[in-house]
Amino acid sequence: GQQLNQSPQSMFIQEGEDVSMNCTSSSIFNTWLWYKQEPGEGPVLLIALYKAGELTSNGRLTAQFGITRKDSFLNISASIPSDVGIYFCAGHRARSQGNLIFGKGTKLSVKP
Amino acid sequence: EPEVTQTPSHQVTQMGQEVILRCVPISNHLYFYWYRQILGQKVEFLVSFYNNEISEKSEIFDDQFSVERPDGSNFTLKIRSTKLEDSAMYFCASSYTPDRAEKLFFGSGTQLSVL
Repeated sequence: GQQLNQSPQSMFIQEGEDVSMNCTSSSIFNTWLWYKQEPGEGPVLLIALYKAGELTSNGRLTAQFGITRKDSFLNISASIPSDVGIYFCAGHRARSQGNLIFGKGTKLSVKP
Repeated sequence: EPEVTQTPSHQVTQMGQEVILRCVPISNHLYFYWYRQILGQKVEFLVSFYNNEISEKSEIFDDQFSVERPDGSNFTLKIRSTKLEDSAMYFCASSYTPDRAEKLFFGSGTQLSVL
């Protein structure tokens, strides 16, 4: 099946540091999405990207849709303890009926 | 804010038993989905449902799985004869349209444990 390679698998950072994570795919997506999941909860959408090259921000979060349409990155600036969680990238293809392909996640730990 | 609700939050069952997982999607949404997440792994698509029929399904969604919208508010996933490997968190999601993926709202999940 289709795979998204997400890295890093985990990150341990100090509060206030910036964070960067990315996803790559061997195939093209029309939409890239970034979700955050906290324990016992479903994924919550952070940012959605629709065009190659698009750079979108949501507060301290910034994500970009790669120009090849095969990759995306998410940056978190000035991390805080509540940023802790697992971050997933997901890709979506046109004409796909809500079939999101998820990456394996990046587990973020923030030390106060 | 409207949300997708799932019941029960936890379900324990014996191998070979049938289980039904229940979801109430957001009221004006038209498209409904089931995803699952095995412990420590990524979230995986199972099935999408629109206009009382399956519109897309994954390889995971084999003959032991079925979905139903029995009334105007509920959306269910039935596993006919559970196996150990069906143990996972099952997420229901809904959207108003399927081609704007950002409008996919997930519930908090049902943790299914098959013993």
